[in-house]
Amino acid sequence: DAGVIQSPRHEVTEMGQEVTLRCKPISGHDYLFWYRQTMMRGLELLIYFNNNVPIDDSGMPEDRFSAKMPNASFSTLKIQPSEPRDSAVYFCASRTSGSSYEQYFGPGTRLTVT
Amino acid sequence: GENVEQHPSTLSVQEGDSAVIKCTYSDSASNYFPWYKQELGKGPQLIIDIRSNVGEKKDQRIAVTLNKTAKHFSLHITETQPEDSAVYFCAADDYKLSFGAGTTVTVRA
Repeated sequence: DAGVIQSPRHEVTEMGQEVTLRCKPISGHDYLFWYRQTMMRGLELLIYFNNNVPIDDSGMPEDRFSAKMPNASFSTLKIQPSEPRDSAVYFCASRTSGSSYEQYFGPGTRLTVT
Repeated sequence: GENVEQHPSTLSVQEGDSAVIKCTYSDSASNYFPWYKQELGKGPQLIIDIRSNVGEKKDQRIAVTLNKTAKHFSLHITETQPEDSAVYFCAADDYKLSFGAGTTVTVRA
């Protein structure tokens, strides 16, 4: 298996622009998580899905952030409009619903908003 | 919600020595405690985990201990090697993972 795939790996955009981050979870995993990592706030859970349904979005910072999972093999995290304080590394992770709670993380997308 | 505190924030050890990282958590309902290792430019990777019904778990040079009464758990790395240099995160799971702030471990050759 290729592991969790994220694209793009790096994104530089100007304030006010729309940004879309993409994630392909490991096949067969039915949980998908979006995290944000910054020096100030560490690793924060933004939202997670189970069987393509959003279960907990309490970590989404504000209405500018939205996430979708249209099918079991694809998810997006959208920021519209983007702001400089959104600059961070965004990780996607997935896991099975079995007895192992291990989350498998993707390589991350480094977002810079200027 | 769950609050996880992790200490120290940085740790420098001589190759071959042991490294210990400690974490505390706030929610007594948490029942799963993983440790992740993050290398530069990569996503975190699970290195060991422990469930609340177990007090200690060991995997080669890595061990984790859990004290549910005191709500703290620790990571022990013995015989450290240069490849152990990374950032280590503890986490606690009540119904979702909450991560500690991370410990940057440097192993000096």
